[in-house]
Amino acid sequence: GQSLEQPSEVTAVEGAIVQINCTYQTSGFYGLSWYQQHDGGAPTFLSYNALDGLEETGRFSSFLSRSDSYGYLLLQELQMKDSASYFCAVTPSGNTPLVFGKGTRLSVIA
Amino acid sequence: DTEVTQTPKHLVMGMTNKKSLKCEQHMGHRAMYWYKQKAKKPPELMFVYSYEKLSINESVPSRFSPECPNSSLLNLHLHALQPEDSALYLCASSPGRGETQYFGPGTRLLVL
Repeated sequence: GQSLEQPSEVTAVEGAIVQINCTYQTSGFYGLSWYQQHDGGAPTFLSYNALDGLEETGRFSSFLSRSDSYGYLLLQELQMKDSASYFCAVTPSGNTPLVFGKGTRLSVIA
Repeated sequence: DTEVTQTPKHLVMGMTNKKSLKCEQHMGHRAMYWYKQKAKKPPELMFVYSYEKLSINESVPSRFSPECPNSSLLNLHLHALQPEDSALYLCASSPGRGETQYFGPGTRLLVL
């Protein structure tokens, strides 16, 4: 089976950098994804790491280390609009659907 | 067209009503999904269709009935729902099963 752990809440200041960690236990997987969800909205795909290392997309970066069963989402130059829930998800091997973590609620304060 | 659309955006129904949720994508994706999401919780997988065939049914009550008329459309038929079924219902699609999923805006359902 698969399980993912991420912090339930994180608070950071506008303009700062924040890292949201995700640790996982899985018997095998293709990659780690991150989704953003604003209150009342739907999850929006942010990034996908199939290989170890850092993937950068604008202000957002995502990192994966398979040997450490660990990944993170890094948000730079935080803006108020980044306040949302962030979910990590693994794509298990065997063509089974995504398994989501419980989500991290990010609050950006002035 | 690079999005998943869902209708209606909001739905209020009584416990004796029958209604349907609709989902559409024109990205050529071969896998489509229904999720249920309660407030402050992650999405819970309900059904997976792969190449228009139901491949996963996560022990969902029979009052929820999925249908995939063609590769672009996915329906969720609702009948005799309970108040605890009130939630955000999300549709998603992916190029193939197990690949990155793209979500529609969801239907917010309230069962009275």
